Amino acid sequence: EDQVTQSPEALRLQEGESSSLNCSYTVSGLRGLFWYRQDPGKGPEFLFTLYSAGEEKEKERLKATLTKKESFLHITAPKPEDSATYLCAHLEGEGAQKLVFGQGTRLTINP
Amino acid sequence: DSGVTQTPKHLITATGQRVTLRCSPRSGDLSVYWYQQSLDQGLQFLIQYYNGEERAKGNILERFSAQQFPDLHSELNLSSLELGDSALYFCASSTSGVTGELFFGEGSRLTVL
Repeated sequence: EDQVTQSPEALRLQEGESSSLNCSYTVSGLRGLFWYRQDPGKGPEFLFTLYSAGEEKEKERLKATLTKKESFLHITAPKPEDSATYLCAHLEGEGAQKLVFGQGTRLTINP
Repeated sequence: DSGVTQTPKHLITATGQRVTLRCSPRSGDLSVYWYQQSLDQGLQFLIQYYNGEERAKGNILERFSAQQFPDLHSELNLSSLELGDSALYFCASSTSGVTGELFFGEGSRLTVL
């Protein structure tokens, strides 16, 4: 069964302390690996799409990378406003029309 | 602001009742998705419509139904409500029906008492 598994479930960092979030996937015929950010009580916000191993995408303090088995969301010198739940997702089903999310990593950045 | 509008933002109702959640997609988007998010289940895909037609279905309960109208807005109907239906219901939209880049609304928080 295709699935994505995120770790850790929760992560607390000090402001400026860089780290990485993991999304491991077992998906046959990956049609993209997607990262989203979700603030409490809000809808998820799209961040990145990665299609092939070795691909990297960057946005401000975030960089997403993809290997054949997992994706990493690296956060460099984070700030308190980076606190959120980060979700990875993949497309599933005939026609790749179902976006299926992992359980997320809840990231807290302490000032 | 994603451009996706959901109403109502909050809804409190009793078990056994029926509610309708409404979603207006971003201007120009033909595809609408519904998701349910509860604390123990995470973000669960319910159903997708593209230009008025159902395109994909997740583990949507038979008590739930949805449709997309000619003006592209969508409604999610939840009936015979149970306590376990309490959750955040999100609508998302996209230009095409085959993409992982979705634009989510702010959600409708349903509380069933």
